[in-house]
Amino acid sequence: DIVLTQSPGTLSLSPGERATLSCRASQSVATRFLTWYQQKPGQAPRLLIYGASSRATDIPDRFSGSGSGTDFTLSISRLEPEDFAVYYCQQYGSSPTFGQGTKVEIK
Amino acid sequence: QVKLQESGPGLVKPSQTLSLSCTVSGGAITSASYYWSWIRQSAGKGLEWIGRIYTSGGTNYSPSLKSRVTMSVDTSTNQFSLKLTSVTAADTAVYFCAGERDIVLVPAIMPAFDIWGQGTMVTVSS
Repeated sequence: DIVLTQSPGTLSLSPGERATLSCRASQSVATRFLTWYQQKPGQAPRLLIYGASSRATDIPDRFSGSGSGTDFTLSISRLEPEDFAVYYCQQYGSSPTFGQGTKVEIK
Repeated sequence: QVKLQESGPGLVKPSQTLSLSCTVSGGAITSASYYWSWIRQSAGKGLEWIGRIYTSGGTNYSPSLKSRVTMSVDTSTNQFSLKLTSVTAADTAVYFCAGERDIVLVPAIMPAFDIWGQGTMVTVSS
């Protein structure tokens, strides 16, 4: 299985700041197979980005995804209060796997 | 709008079989747009894909769980189900059902877990 390593584990930022989250794969992932999810406490994950860079329905344009090969990034341009959550990257290889998550917390 | 809801026992004894169902509402489970997965989340292992079932009945399972997993679909009740045998404490987790679809942005086809149930906590304990 492809292992996804997310960094940092926790990101402490203030509303209005920019967040940059990293996802590194143990082997190359086709961009169309890389997705990002947001999860808030007590809720299911919510699809944010698919195909490494395409925003899902109703996702605001402050969220953007980029990257290729083994290195992918989720950026949030200006953090809103509702953006403080845990973010997961996920890949579709022979079996889907998820990263361990990055928690974005209020500083 | 398609919605998913998990159901099943919240407590299972070690060595027994965990059985969960997911009810699809707001659309037919046979919709050509979706195929259906189970994903679990535990403190120790994070999010873990268990497997998927197509409405044709075809399945793909996680290699690490394949020997213990069976999935099925019942089109008459708009449900799909998970059975996990010989459970241990390591199977304690929140279990989510999810709908995957291939999102088409020509020329690319991009899969994603597009819809999720709210999740159900299953504890394995005697």
